[in-house]
Amino acid sequence: ETGVTQSPTHLIKTRGQQVTLRCSSQSGHNTVSWYQQALGQGPQFIFQYYREEENGRGNFPPRFSGLQFPNYSSELNVNALELDDSALYLCASSQPGRAQETQYFGPGTRLLVL
Amino acid sequence: AQSVAQPEDQVNVAEGNPLTVKCTYSVSGNPYLFWYVQYPNRGLQFLLKYITGDNLVKGSYGFEAEFNKSQTSFHLKKPSALVSDSALYFCAVRDIPNQAGTALIFGKGTTLSVSS
Repeated sequence: ETGVTQSPTHLIKTRGQQVTLRCSSQSGHNTVSWYQQALGQGPQFIFQYYREEENGRGNFPPRFSGLQFPNYSSELNVNALELDDSALYLCASSQPGRAQETQYFGPGTRLLVL
Repeated sequence: AQSVAQPEDQVNVAEGNPLTVKCTYSVSGNPYLFWYVQYPNRGLQFLLKYITGDNLVKGSYGFEAEFNKSQTSFHLKKPSALVSDSALYFCAVRDIPNQAGTALIFGKGTTLSVSS
């Protein structure tokens, strides 16, 4: 176990709704990254937060947004859900200040959009 | 742009035999390479990484990986496979770094099936 936790584990939403996913980072880690893993694919980078600010973003539309809190936990918000948003959402935390840091992943939240 | 390729969707080996899961990379600058494993309905577990130094990297659960700069490869290996090694394996490369952290770019994954 990595110490990275995510909630909820599973979620079912309908098109057009909004969803918030949560992640608690491993102790001592101040960087959180979010990834989307569609069925049969490798994870794709959504964005990264470092010390409460967005610190890099992948090729995802603005309806994907996030927050990081002073305790370094993080939220991923997705507005106007589409069917293609159905995926496993993974968060990963990493140690501060080291460019080659290892990212440790949580168990993921599986989102199904109907 | 940074990228990795995993040319095999599936690798089948018998228990006790050596296994190899292949990965090739394309990067600008020095490659920082990682292997992760994913069991069903689980997140990704870190196995090992290459940053610099020895070309043979040892990791968790008896896995190792060989970095080959001339062939731009980073193949995952294990001398003797176990049935419990059956899982989905991902190779990843660090994206061009920014100030404090960076994204990982993943391959599409290789399913390893070890038969008893």
